[in-house]
Amino acid sequence: QKEVEQNSGPLSVPEGAIASLNCTYSDRGSQSFFWYRQYSGKSPELIMFIYSNGDKEDGRFTAQLNKASQYVSLLIRDSQPSDSATYLCAVKGQFYFGTGTSLTVIP
Amino acid sequence: DVKVTQSSRYLVKRTGEKVFLECVQDMDHENMFWYRQDPGLGLRLIYFSYDVKMKEKGDIPEGYSVSREKKERFSLILESASTNQTSMYLCASRTDALGVQPQHFGDGTRLSIL
Repeated sequence: QKEVEQNSGPLSVPEGAIASLNCTYSDRGSQSFFWYRQYSGKSPELIMFIYSNGDKEDGRFTAQLNKASQYVSLLIRDSQPSDSATYLCAVKGQFYFGTGTSLTVIP
Repeated sequence: DVKVTQSSRYLVKRTGEKVFLECVQDMDHENMFWYRQDPGLGLRLIYFSYDVKMKEKGDIPEGYSVSREKKERFSLILESASTNQTSMYLCASRTDALGVQPQHFGDGTRLSIL
């Protein structure tokens, strides 16, 4: 069983819509969850992270944790073409990364 | 801003060669990491280091070794390069060992083994 899994997509949303990305994890004891964005040909950069004690909002981005179902979501409101990238989820001390979900925001 | 610098952006080597990938960070981070990234497989941890001269195996250490003689520098060594080691290699550093602080990545080295 993989430590973390993501739907590879691609996920396409129109500009201005809400993009929803999910990441499932296998270790019920996981305490921290990270979302990184990776543009094509670039290295990953941190979007946001949450701990097991609650959700977090930062501008247009919201990370939500569902402990019972063992998944963490990243919501991007008012999606922009510049949000088009691959989004990586990381768990277990960031030792494990998902394969990433490719997001395309259509103008 | 934290700067993680990888010595080469692109590298082409031949099968059987010994290959060195260098990574330097400028923020006095104790923890440094080497990942490889392949399509469909995501980022996979090769080795990491909590301190100078310390190293720990990640998920896929076979065929690799590392060296950390100075705090700011973490080297990945392919002892005898093979074609299945063609990949994008990413170095990262962070302040904490538990992994609850963000990681800072270098720009990556795209390595081709012919």
